[in-house]
Amino acid sequence: AQTVTQSQPEMSVQEAETVTLSCTYDTSENNYYLFWYKQPPSRQMILVIRQEAYKQQNATENRFSVNFQKAAKSFSLKISDSQLGDTAMYFCAFMRGSNYKLTFGKGTLLTVNP
Amino acid sequence: EADIYQTPRYLVIGTGKKITLECSQTMGHDKMYWYQQDPGMELHLIHYSYGVNSTEKGDLSSESTVSRIRTEHFPLTLESARPSHTSQYLCASSESSRVNTEAFFGQGTRLTVV
Repeated sequence: AQTVTQSQPEMSVQEAETVTLSCTYDTSENNYYLFWYKQPPSRQMILVIRQEAYKQQNATENRFSVNFQKAAKSFSLKISDSQLGDTAMYFCAFMRGSNYKLTFGKGTLLTVNP
Repeated sequence: EADIYQTPRYLVIGTGKKITLECSQTMGHDKMYWYQQDPGMELHLIHYSYGVNSTEKGDLSSESTVSRIRTEHFPLTLESARPSHTSQYLCASSESSRVNTEAFFGQGTRLTVV
């Protein structure tokens, strides 16, 4: 079975600074996908960034980037130039390529302070 | 904005009642998911559907049942609601494609059983 571990229940960062959220996963599969999802307070879950395991290049999406270390099974999210609107619960997620089943970590509550 | 809808958004119901939570998507996705999430907590997969007439239990045992008679519709039913079922229920869908793996989420149903 796949497991996703987020070891930081809560984090805070000052506006305009950079923060990194950690995620590790455990799987025996070779074909999978990794995601970071954002859940703002009382709002819908949305995708932040995704990474295909077969791609070595780290994904980037504007201020968001990942550090994907396949051998170490690590998938961290870096948020640059943090904004107040980045305040949310961030979930790391794993999707099996064989059946597209999506499993989430426990989440990290990120607070961006003015 | 994602074309996936959940109704009702909020439901307060008495113990022993039968309830059905509705989830519909207009994107033609074959994969659909139900997650249970306590406020500010992790998401637990409780049901998963590969496509029409194909469902399986998720990682978290649940007394609820699901059906998938049509591609766009994935309702969740509790035959006899109990206070322990109080939680938020999130529905999601995704495409089975190596190119497009993003899961889209509904706004959730917050269920309170009194």
